[in-house]
Amino acid sequence: QVTLKESGPVLVKPTETLTLTCTVSGFSVSSAGMAVGWIRQPPGKALEWLAHIFSNDDESYNTVLKSRLTISKDTPKSQVVLTMTNVDPVDTATYYCARMIWNGILYYFDYWGQGTLVTVSS
Amino acid sequence: SSELTQPPSVSVSPGQTASITCSGDNLGDKYVCWYQQKPGQSPLLIIYQDNKRPSGIPERFSGSNSGNTATLTISGTQALDEADYYCQAWDGSTEAVFGGGTKLTVL
Repeated sequence: QVTLKESGPVLVKPTETLTLTCTVSGFSVSSAGMAVGWIRQPPGKALEWLAHIFSNDDESYNTVLKSRLTISKDTPKSQVVLTMTNVDPVDTATYYCARMIWNGILYYFDYWGQGTLVTVSS
Repeated sequence: SSELTQPPSVSVSPGQTASITCSGDNLGDKYVCWYQQKPGQSPLLIIYQDNKRPSGIPERFSGSNSGNTATLTISGTQALDEADYYCQAWDGSTEAVFGGGTKLTVL
């Protein structure tokens, strides 16, 4: 059974660094054909892809946010970590991690975590 | 990066067919996925690779993609299909792009 669970602070102050952890089970973050991505959703707004990391450690970032994001993984712990520097109130959102799977033709997000709401406020 | 445009809202009567569009430059040259999100829940994959349904997704959900528009079609729409729907494609091969979402109302 594939599950993903996000964890991290509920409240972060402006200019601080946000660190979010995605703990997975039912698959390995280093298995070929797998990747884990982070997607966020401000309250009442659309989904926004942030970053993902492949099983071979290759990374990809949202062009607009790239300078503020770092994604990494810890295979033994089955975790993928996203850090976002210099947060602002506009970064207030529910942050989701999701598994990406390769079917031979494309990657798609087939399993999602429950999400974690992060509020940026002083 | 490319943009995907969806209508903010679509209304449908129970039992009728709902169509939700997703537009983007040469979108037909890319593969499109669709996600359903109900209030307070995480997104659920309902269509991948334009028209493939994951296991457990009802047959009334179907997808197509040609030219600049991908379409999610829900046949025999049920009240439980009321949700937000998001399309998603890949910009180049490494950046995921989501549409702005469409709120489906079943009247």
